Amino acid sequence: TQLLEQSPQFLSIQEGENLTVYCNSSSVFSSLQWYRQEPGEGPVLLVTVVTGGEVKKLKRLTFQFGDARKDSSLHITAAQPGDTGLYLCAGGYTGNQFYFGTGTSLTVIP
Amino acid sequence: ETGVTQTPRHLVMGMTNKKSLKCEQHLGHNAMYWYKQSAKKPLELMFVYNFKEQTENNSVPSRFSPECPNSSHLFLHLHTLQPEDSALYLCASSSTRPGANEQFFGPGTRLTVL
Repeated sequence: TQLLEQSPQFLSIQEGENLTVYCNSSSVFSSLQWYRQEPGEGPVLLVTVVTGGEVKKLKRLTFQFGDARKDSSLHITAAQPGDTGLYLCAGGYTGNQFYFGTGTSLTVIP
Repeated sequence: ETGVTQTPRHLVMGMTNKKSLKCEQHLGHNAMYWYKQSAKKPLELMFVYNFKEQTENNSVPSRFSPECPNSSHLFLHLHTLQPEDSALYLCASSSTRPGANEQFFGPGTRLTVL
């Protein structure tokens, strides 16, 4: 059973387009994190959201945590080739164990 | 050196070899983790250490043996591995303070078992 499902699994867009990546679960999490991973490297933390309905912005990236704390979305405005990578969401409970999603592989074509 | 470092970055080994992966964190964290990342699969948590004590072992085969001599160092000892163990092995660390448990990852060790 996969706790966190991400969609789409693969996404290829032109530079300048907007996109949204989804992370869905039937479980309630105390926090949710988004990471970006480039080939041959480890994931790099982008943001942590902890409150239901919370919205955080990081330049062209907007992260939202669902009201029920079961799902999250990542919206990228005017995508750039540097945004290319594997985007991972991870849900955490109290304590320090996290469950990672299936990942969304994004390619931004110049 | 800052952050989380892992050595070696690449490792090729036969099924009868014994090797070790090393992880070191320079962030003052008290928790360290081993993850396995295989193609087309989510990251799989293998082991968790809090204050040098192992607190999680997610049904990992005994051919993987972790060691955490102190809060800054973590090892993964490998012996008699199988080809399906080929993957990217990632180490991470985090604080154990409530509300500050974001994980910071190393670059990983790409392991190939022949």
